[in-house]
Amino acid sequence: KNQVEQSPQSLIILEGKNCTLQCNYTVSPFSNLRWYKQDTGRGPVSLTIMTFSENTKSNGRYTATLDADTKQSSLHITASQLSDSASYICVVSAENYGQNFVFGPGTRLSVLP
Amino acid sequence: GAVVSQHPSWVICKSGTSVKIECRSLDFQATTMFWYRQFPKQSLMLMATSNEGSKATYEQGVEKDKFLINHASLTLSTLTVTSAHPEDSSFYICSARDSPFNEQFFGPGTRLTVL
Repeated sequence: KNQVEQSPQSLIILEGKNCTLQCNYTVSPFSNLRWYKQDTGRGPVSLTIMTFSENTKSNGRYTATLDADTKQSSLHITASQLSDSASYICVVSAENYGQNFVFGPGTRLSVLP
Repeated sequence: GAVVSQHPSWVICKSGTSVKIECRSLDFQATTMFWYRQFPKQSLMLMATSNEGSKATYEQGVEKDKFLINHASLTLSTLTVTSAHPEDSSFYICSARDSPFNEQFFGPGTRLTVL
């Protein structure tokens, strides 16, 4: 069964600190992995997208890594800001799943002043 | 990235009434649109896949007669919640893609509250 798991479920950090969110998946055959940021009451916004051959991809203070062998990904946020408070969702596409998405449950990040 | 809009952004209705939610791709043609539902503190759950000019494909457990989907043009899909009940209260999000190999772009969501 295609599944995506994320940890931690929630995280609280102080402004300016770094943090790393984890994603494990069992989606096969793997097509690509995306990280989305979803603010409360808003739709998800894409942060990064990685294919099988990509190990890391950055978008400003966000850096995603992918280990296709262990089927793990991480999202590292550097120098967190209050506006980083949101849910971060890991989404994996399977080649034979019509490019539909398998969603992780998300990690809810709270950045405190 | 491409822009997807939803209308309305929020709606409150009485139990038993029907509510229509629109999803538009503003700067590209979307052959496929997706409708998701999201309950508080949960991730998105796919309800149905809508292909332009054909009937929508519903996920298991989603009542097609209750959640009517129409994708009559390449830029517009609508979701109608018929005979809404309080348990239908949720955050409904659409997404759109223009080919099987391109990224999905999400709308901002519609908050439905059924009294």
